[in-house]
Amino acid sequence: SYELTQPPSVSVSPGQTARITCSGDALPKKFASWYQQKSGQAPVLVIYEDTKRPSGIPERFSGSSSGTVATLTISGAQVEDGADYYCYSRDNSDNQRVFGGGTKLTVL
Amino acid sequence: EVQLVESGGGLVKPGGSLRLSCAASGFTFSSYNMNWVRQAPGKGLEWVSFISRRSENIYYADSMKGRFTITRDNAKKSLYLEMNSLRVEDTAVYFCARDDAFDFWGHGTLVTVSS
Repeated sequence: SYELTQPPSVSVSPGQTARITCSGDALPKKFASWYQQKSGQAPVLVIYEDTKRPSGIPERFSGSSSGTVATLTISGAQVEDGADYYCYSRDNSDNQRVFGGGTKLTVL
Repeated sequence: EVQLVESGGGLVKPGGSLRLSCAASGFTFSSYNMNWVRQAPGKGLEWVSFISRRSENIYYADSMKGRFTITRDNAKKSLYLEMNSLRVEDTAVYFCARDDAFDFWGHGTLVTVSS
């Protein structure tokens, strides 16, 4: 079955740039999206179609994709950005939808 | 305001069945594909199932095939998940989420499978 691979954890100081990667064989042909989930809450979409930011999401959140790796970048990370982040995409058949294992971002 | 409200969770014994519902409001439900996603306690998100706008395309994660059935009623603006032959490992919070981008999520309903 298809898998997306994320690092388990990323840690940065406030004001630094945080980068979270997501690796998957189908990513050259399939869009990735990213979700932020804080403890006890539902996930929130922060990036879709690799690079697009929904309304209401701060400009410091951006996305990119190159080859088999999609990246979520948080420029000037703030303490409140600390959360779990999940990437999502589909396999080449479009039948299977998959989330990455999640990355815990610590901003301290 | 877009709202998705899940219901129907609870405690069920292994081998039992449960039907989850997701009530939608604040948008034209029939214009959107819908999904179910689950999250086991302390674990990551796991996609469960997808249903297209008019139910013409339906997909399931491999571990749910043959046990779970996704349906929708556009007139009632509702999404459903029928779960049979439940296993302890199906214990999770079940979320409904809108569209291919999962742009809006409900708050989830907890399903506990235990004897």
